[in-house]
Amino acid sequence: KAGVTQTPRYLIKTRGQQVTLSCSPISGHRSVSWYQQTPGQGLQFLFEYFSETQRNKGNFPGRFSGRQFSNSRSEMNVSTLELGDSALYLCASRHRTSGGKHANTGELFFGEGSRLTVL
Amino acid sequence: GQSLEQPSEVTAVEGAIVQINCTYQTSGFYGLSWYQQHDGGAPTFLSYNGLDGLEETGRFSSFLSRSDSYGYLLLQELQMKDSASYFCAATSGQAGTALIFGKGTTLSVSS
Repeated sequence: KAGVTQTPRYLIKTRGQQVTLSCSPISGHRSVSWYQQTPGQGLQFLFEYFSETQRNKGNFPGRFSGRQFSNSRSEMNVSTLELGDSALYLCASRHRTSGGKHANTGELFFGEGSRLTVL
Repeated sequence: GQSLEQPSEVTAVEGAIVQINCTYQTSGFYGLSWYQQHDGGAPTFLSYNGLDGLEETGRFSSFLSRSDSYGYLLLQELQMKDSASYFCAATSGQAGTALIFGKGTTLSVSS
């Protein structure tokens, strides 16, 4: 089955602009989470959505927001871009369950990411 | 706060064994996962420890000690293709939904 798809793969913006990134999870996966990856900080958790509701949020300013649609597709938006927002933004999905052996095993399926450069 | 500490770099030769340690400090800890990421690629899941002890998956094994807030990833019979970054990640939060990642360990395998 198809993996996690992120669009666009690469984009260049200037300071002050805003950007929207899209993520289509693996079919049947209802949980989507977003991460920011930079060389110095590794992967930092942005937020997780499940059934169109934000379930967890990382320590990022309000300029970073997201949403999830009824088909589990998710978007994240960054407004008023800053140079420091340049990063690889990774989306991950999983088949989140309420129980069973593999419940909350931490197995995420990542997309290839959207590389954002802010000039 | 929540944090995971792991070495930034490890080097080894083909055929050797290497251990990547990870210590964590998180609230509502559920378990520890390990991910591999090659340059330019997406992180891929390697293993998960929800209970104390050793989990073995082929050449890779992972260990967890909750009492010590410590885990490690053991890579045996190293191959050149194992050169990559390795991340430990703690599943935490209510219902174990959030993953907090360490900053990664870059493993370089030479011949």
